[in-house]
Amino acid sequence: GNSVTQMEGPVTLSEEAFLTINCTYTATGYPSLFWYVQYPGEGLQLLLKATKADDKGSNKGFEATYRKETTSFHLEKGSVQVSDSAVYFCALSLYNQGGKLIFGQGTELSVKP
Amino acid sequence: DAGVTQSPTHLIKTRGQQVTLRCSPKSGHDTVSWYQQALGQGPQFIFQYYEEEERQRGNFPDRFSGHQFPNYSSELNVNALLLGDSALYLCASSCIPGRGDQSDTQYFGPGTRLTVL
Repeated sequence: GNSVTQMEGPVTLSEEAFLTINCTYTATGYPSLFWYVQYPGEGLQLLLKATKADDKGSNKGFEATYRKETTSFHLEKGSVQVSDSAVYFCALSLYNQGGKLIFGQGTELSVKP
Repeated sequence: DAGVTQSPTHLIKTRGQQVTLRCSPKSGHDTVSWYQQALGQGPQFIFQYYEEEERQRGNFPDRFSGHQFPNYSSELNVNALLLGDSALYLCASSCIPGRGDQSDTQYFGPGTRLTVL
């Protein structure tokens, strides 16, 4: 079946540290890949996306590259801020399934000043 | 441009009761999907509506039903509530796949927090 696996959290970093959150997927077909972020008490916000192999999505200093050979879509940021503290979700969607999203379990990030 | 809106924000019900949650999609979107997010988990797909019909359904019992109106807004109904139905219910809107560059991108509302006692 189709699934997404994320590294377990919580991840605790100091401000200005480098961030990597690992995400791997299993899919029948060629999925689109997404990172969503959820701040405490809020819904999900789209952070970035990539729709085909080798595409790089980027937004607000975050980046992720669609790696078909390793079925991965790891999220990176060079220098995190306290305001980046949130839960990050990796997700995939498949065109032939109407675009429904399949999410990983989420990774909580806590950035300390 | 108004984003996805949901109502109510919070809701408290008792076991066995019925609940209706509402969602208005982002302007220009015609497809609404509903997700259930249990505490500490990723969202799980419930179902998706397009052209006032249910197009897809996740692994949820028939107690979960929905409706889409001609203006594309949607309702989620849950009957015979169980304690395990306590969760954040998220609505997401999009364009039907195949129409436009952003057709596979879903935009989420703030959610409705349902507590079943």
